[in-house]
Amino acid sequence: EPEVTQTPSHQVTQMGQEVILRCVPISNHLYFYWYRQILGQKVEFLVSFYNNEISEKSEIFDDQFSVERPDGSNFTLKIRSTKLEDSAMYFCASTTSTGATGELFFGEGSRLTVL
Amino acid sequence: DQQVKQNSPSLSVQEGRISILNCDYTNSMFDYFLWYKKYPAEGPTFLISISSIKDKNEDGRFTVFLNKSAKHLSLHIVPSQPGDSAVYFCAASVSSARQLTFGSGTQLTVLP
Repeated sequence: EPEVTQTPSHQVTQMGQEVILRCVPISNHLYFYWYRQILGQKVEFLVSFYNNEISEKSEIFDDQFSVERPDGSNFTLKIRSTKLEDSAMYFCASTTSTGATGELFFGEGSRLTVL
Repeated sequence: DQQVKQNSPSLSVQEGRISILNCDYTNSMFDYFLWYKKYPAEGPTFLISISSIKDKNEDGRFTVFLNKSAKHLSLHIVPSQPGDSAVYFCAASVSSARQLTFGSGTQLTVLP
């Protein structure tokens, strides 16, 4: 069964360092997302991406964050200068649907720990 | 800003019995609702959804009920099985948008 894969599963970094989280969405999917979950809190929307550009982004997704689809398979989330509060589980998701009503398929997540 | 609320952080149910998980929302623009299940160290997995034009949707052991006037939805699992033990997230969206707003989750434990 096709699945969304994410790497790394866990990354530890120093505050101020750049981090890139990688995702391989399901191959025929068109919409890509990043969500995050800070420990003990809700899963929060960060950004959606379609047709090589950002469709929507939340208030969390400030100038420190960027997304890219550098080739036909990878979808990356970059945090330019990490802060302690960026420590969270980051989930990539994808869907075929043309609307928000489609089922999102989530990856297993990348745990980011900022020291 | 708690647009989607799950007021019960945990629920324990005996195997074979019904599990009822509840969710309330405040944004009347939401017109699509979903339930996701999440096991530790895994991403959320889609379970079942309902459009605001319906009040019930059933899929096997899982049924979602929507009460729009009360801005309330519930997920019924019957019969509950130990493998159902997981965190259940309610989520909602405005169909013209592409983002889901999640509740805080309810940890369901089904006791054998």
